[in-house]
Amino acid sequence: QLQLQESGPGLVKPSETLSLTCTVSGGSISSGNYYWGWIRQPPGKGLEWIGTISYSGSTYYHPSLKSRVTISVDTSKNQFSLNLSSVTAADTAVYYCARWSGGSYYYWGLGTLVTVSS
Amino acid sequence: QSALTQPPSASGSPGQSVTFSCTGTSSDVGGYNYVSWYQQHPGKAPKLIIYEVNKRPSGVPDRFSGSKSGNTASLTVSGLQAEDEADYYCSSYAGSINCVFGGGTKLTVL
Repeated sequence: QLQLQESGPGLVKPSETLSLTCTVSGGSISSGNYYWGWIRQPPGKGLEWIGTISYSGSTYYHPSLKSRVTISVDTSKNQFSLNLSSVTAADTAVYYCARWSGGSYYYWGLGTLVTVSS
Repeated sequence: QSALTQPPSASGSPGQSVTFSCTGTSSDVGGYNYVSWYQQHPGKAPKLIIYEVNKRPSGVPDRFSGSKSGNTASLTVSGLQAEDEADYYCSSYAGSINCVFGGGTKLTVL
């Protein structure tokens, strides 16, 4: 059974960079026609797609976040990562990593809450 | 890339049916048969319940069904049960590996 697990700091200061890693287990990040994505959910609000990466490193970002987002993949560690720069309180959210295929996110991590505060 | 439009709330009594709408544009919902629906219980990760407009992943009850007409997709939950009380989000492929979500509908089982 494929499993995804987010990890990273739970508290980030304003103007700094938020960095999270998603570790994939139960399957190879390089196998199949899959993409790997990040989605976030501010407290009490809806889901927001952040971006997606292929195992070969092709990236696709939400237009409104594109200037601040970098997603990368490390196939040797079966991981992919999210960097979001110049964060503000509006970036406080639960961040999920997930596997995308054929238009849907089938497998999700449990999510990790990141709070932006000084 | 604007969020898809969903009604903020819906309700129904046990055993009844309820239908949620999800309205987009010809660039997302209307342009592709890649509409998905997710169920999210409080404090939990979203769970895929419908993909490609009307297909159910293994293990999802057939009480959940999806459809699409033009730029609007719909999710119907038949035979409402208490455990169906949750938030429901639609999403659509929007081209170039882009994805857009709806704002979510909170379902209350009376």
